[in-house]
Amino acid sequence: NAGVTQTPKFRVLKTGQSMTLLCAQDMNHEYMYWYRQDPGMGLRLIHYSVGEGTTAKGEVPDGYNVSRLKKQNFLLGLESAAPSQTSVYFCASSYRSFGGSYEQYFGPGTRLTVT
Amino acid sequence: EDQVTQSPEALRLQEGESSSLNCSYTVSGLRGLFWYRQDPGKGPEFLFTLYSAGEEKEKERLKATLTKKESFLHITAPKPEDSATYLCAVHWREAGSYQLTFGKGTKLSVIP
Repeated sequence: NAGVTQTPKFRVLKTGQSMTLLCAQDMNHEYMYWYRQDPGMGLRLIHYSVGEGTTAKGEVPDGYNVSRLKKQNFLLGLESAAPSQTSVYFCASSYRSFGGSYEQYFGPGTRLTVT
Repeated sequence: EDQVTQSPEALRLQEGESSSLNCSYTVSGLRGLFWYRQDPGKGPEFLFTLYSAGEEKEKERLKATLTKKESFLHITAPKPEDSATYLCAVHWREAGSYQLTFGKGTKLSVIP
């Protein structure tokens, strides 16, 4: 089992460029999440998905879009990158969250720098 | 005011010196409290889930406890490999919607 994997591990973008971060999980989890982690801020939820074909906004969704076309994949898109989006991005998955209380399993992260 | 507060922000211990980390929360309608360990450059790794006051969980040198408004992560006789940032997260319910909030973490350094 690979668990949760993220692609790419590192990326540098110029302001205004676009990119997509890919998250994949092999645990058959229904729920998937995208977080960003900034120094002194803690993990903040960007978007999440409760199943294939569904997405919802989290705490800091502006400037990001997501898609969940397959159960095992969750994509995070930045249409026009801004320096404020420089961060470490983590994907996570769980069996269930917002109806019960199950732990989340995290990927290794993507370090994104926007210049 | 932060809904989930972890203290201290950083803690330095000598190897073998036991201590506790604190996670306090102000939310109501707790559904679960999670502890994670995060090593530099890696994603958080799940440690424990606590659901109700009085509950305790143990794993090797770590023991997590829960009261009505806070949780403690006790570290007994720590080793250098216990050095990491420890995160807590609170799963709670507000007006019919479910929320999950992470604390900012406690960075633990264990000196040989």
